[in-house]
Amino acid sequence: DGGITQSPKYLFRKEGQNVTLSCEQNLNHDAMYWYRQDPGQGLRLIYYSQIVNDFQKGDIAEGYSVSREKKESFPLTVTSAQKNPTAFYLCASSNTGPSSYEQYFGPGTRLTVT
Amino acid sequence: EDKVVQSPLSLVVHEGDTVTLNCSYEVTNFRSLLWYKQEKKAPTFLFMLTSSGIEKKSGRLSSILDKKELFSILNITATQTGDSAVYLCAVLHTGGFKTIFGAGTRLFVKA
Repeated sequence: DGGITQSPKYLFRKEGQNVTLSCEQNLNHDAMYWYRQDPGQGLRLIYYSQIVNDFQKGDIAEGYSVSREKKESFPLTVTSAQKNPTAFYLCASSNTGPSSYEQYFGPGTRLTVT
Repeated sequence: EDKVVQSPLSLVVHEGDTVTLNCSYEVTNFRSLLWYKQEKKAPTFLFMLTSSGIEKKSGRLSSILDKKELFSILNITATQTGDSAVYLCAVLHTGGFKTIFGAGTRLFVKA
């Protein structure tokens, strides 16, 4: 089945540690995205990538980093510089071009930093 | 600053009721408005609206866009408990990548 997988579902880390969230898709989509969702707020764009080896900052990129070495994979690293890292993180992918409007989302990773 | 505002933030109705969810936006470089349903984890796509006044329908759900007044509504008729979810409105920028989401409307349908 085609889809997007994120791992792990739940992640616990101590303050000061970097942590990497995994996102893999087998939909053959060129574009991939990372969002953060906090209670009572909508999804906020962290980073997006239109194509392999290219990515752009979203609205809240500070304290995060990404890489896009393969089409299928778009890992997100939450660094110790991120002041409030506890949140629900969603990865998505989409086609590019005229049909690029629909984003397919993964099941998310809930990160708790104490 | 681009923003998407949804109302109400939450809503409780009884099965069989009709509900209207609202979404207003102030976004430069508007391309399309999208609606998603988020039940537990991953949002799922409902509609994309690009032109004013053209209603999109899918079963008991329908949506329309007003680009002059900068808003959209999502209607759900004959609600069922399975409609309970957070409904997200989002605006896609021209270029097709950057998407601004609203905070969502949490709908709870009582049996």
